[in-house]
Amino acid sequence: QVYLVQSGAEVKRPGASVRLSCKASGYTFPNSGVSWVRQAPGQGLEWLGWVSTFEHNPGYAPKVQDRITLTTDTSTSTAYMELRSLTSDDTAIYYCARDLHFIRDLWGQGTMVTVSS
Amino acid sequence: IVMTQAPATLSLSPGERATLSCRAGQSIASSQLSWYQKKPGQAPRLLIYATSIRAAGIPARFSGSGSGTDFTLTISSLQPEDFAVYYCQQNFFGGGTRVELK
Repeated sequence: QVYLVQSGAEVKRPGASVRLSCKASGYTFPNSGVSWVRQAPGQGLEWLGWVSTFEHNPGYAPKVQDRITLTTDTSTSTAYMELRSLTSDDTAIYYCARDLHFIRDLWGQGTMVTVSS
Repeated sequence: IVMTQAPATLSLSPGERATLSCRAGQSIASSQLSWYQKKPGQAPRLLIYATSIRAAGIPARFSGSGSGTDFTLTISSLQPEDFAVYYCQQNFFGGGTRVELK
């Protein structure tokens, strides 16, 4: 079976950073990229960025490009997202998704990130 | 590329046909347009990719069409489980269309 398993819920203070993980199983991790997508309460889906093991430069959405870093660890088939300088606007469910040529066919279960003082 | 969806909400009854529109801010390759279904408490689900190809396990009542800047998702006969929010996506997502029970 193929799946992506994400790390658990996080609660952070404003100004802090959060690092989420997304572990792939059942497929060849280096053959696809990983996109990160979030959904804030009552809002739509928002693409944050994309990373792969075969492209040297990750792609980031302009809205978060100064605060986000995406990486991968091929030895553990895991993708990571770090988001810095958190504000309440970053409160959302964060998803990772397998992404090959913009086709996001496999999704993690989501990680709730709450930013609150 | 900005993706714009219309309408924001569709109020329909089971058995009716749903037609959802998606417009790209500039012409895109047909290979780059996908549709997703999102239900509360669930991860997004890929329905259609490359404009018109159904993803694995997606029923035939879902179909996609279009080219250039204008794309359409059609649900031929709404089933109770189809009431959800639908998103088109090139890289960025559109704002979504909520298909709700009339």
